[in-house]
This record gives sequence, structure tokens and C-alpha cells, in this order.
Amino acid sequence: DAKTTQPTSMDCAEGRAANLPCNHSTISGNEYVYWYRQIHSQGPQYIIHGLKNNETNEMASLIITEDRKSSTLILPHATLRDTAVYYCIVRASNTGNQFYFGTGTSLTVIP
Amino acid sequence: KAGVTQTPRYLIKTRGQQVTLSCSPISGHRSVSWYQQTPGQGLQFLFEYFSETQRNKGNFPGRFSGRQFSNSRSEMNVSTLELGDSALYLCASSFGGATTDTQYFGPGTRLTVL
Repeated sequence: DAKTTQPTSMDCAEGRAANLPCNHSTISGNEYVYWYRQIHSQGPQYIIHGLKNNETNEMASLIITEDRKSSTLILPHATLRDTAVYYCIVRASNTGNQFYFGTGTSLTVIP
Repeated sequence: KAGVTQTPRYLIKTRGQQVTLSCSPISGHRSVSWYQQTPGQGLQFLFEYFSETQRNKGNFPGRFSGRQFSNSRSEMNVSTLELGDSALYLCASSFGGATTDTQYFGPGTRLTVL
């Protein structure tokens, strides 16, 4: 039931900004966009979430387009430890507020 | 604040056996969700418990069951294990499961069925 589309993989040079796109063209007005990442075989780690305004925390920034059909997660200064699979999730109240994970984007940070 | 803990971390069973996995949520969290992660199917939602009641259920056979205790700790059980049940089982906790509640995941239990 994943309602998001993400590129399968991306590379980013260490120290540069990593911009991870996500399409969620069928998103409804009350649905939040969440981002998690998973480092190999560990539990997913929460990064950030938002509804319609851009959000920033100590880990990343989330930019949501005005029509809310897509978003971009920005890691401002990628490090090798940011190598992980990044999941963009639309969380819907009509599915019990559960997270439906898609296939995510495998980000590799290159030294 | 301690994170979500799961025990055991690794488990090896044989086909036909049953297994019980345990999850202790973050203190104060009342919602516990369980997920199965396999290379072929990715991360899939199993079920969610809130205040000792199953509130949501994913599309898994009845061999997968769970329960939650009054202290919010949760267990999941898989009976009559099949080879395809080999997976990383993850639990996640949140305050109450509302749209804005963030789920925090544990490290997972790696189950291998031989």
C-alpha cells in the first residue's frame, strides 16, 4: 500500500548535500510525510516528518512542494555514516495511521 | 530515556516449531507495532497493539499473533514456522498511534527457520 515513489539508489560525495526526492502524487490533505532511514539490518531510524510546511531538525531538512505531491529530504553535509536506505512514507489516517514502507532509496556516501 | 528493546536478538528454529518474540516499548509509549522485513517483500506491517487491544492488522496469516500486557510490553508469536518466516522482525512504539505520533523502532529480532 506504499503510496510513494523514490529512486532506487543515489550516490553523494562526502561533505556535500544529499537531496533525496520522493513523489507522493495521491497524498491527501491530512496525510503526513515521514522519513526514516535504515542502516544495514538495524531498526529504522526516524529522521523528520511534515504536513505542508518545510521542516528542519538537527538531522535534516524536509522540503514539501506547495501542491504536496512531492518532497525532498536534504542531508546538508553528508558523512559516510549517512549511507543507508531512506524511506519516504505517507502516513494515512484511513489505514490506522500505520507506516507502509516502500522500497526506499539506497544512498551511498562516497569518500 | 531507554529506547525500544527486543529480545532475543537472534533466533534459530526449525520448520513446524513456534516462536515468541518480545518487545519493550519506550517508557510512556502505549502503542506497539510489529513489522516483518524480508529481502523479497521489504518492510511489512503485521499488527498494532494499543492498551492491550489489537487495533490494526496487516495482511498476514493467523499463524502470526500477538498480545500486549498492561505495562505495554508486547509479544508476538508465530506458530508452525515455515521457511519463509525467516526475517527480521521489528517492533516500534509510539505514544498513542495518532497521525503525528512518531514511531521509534527497536533493533529487531533476526529469525532463521531451518
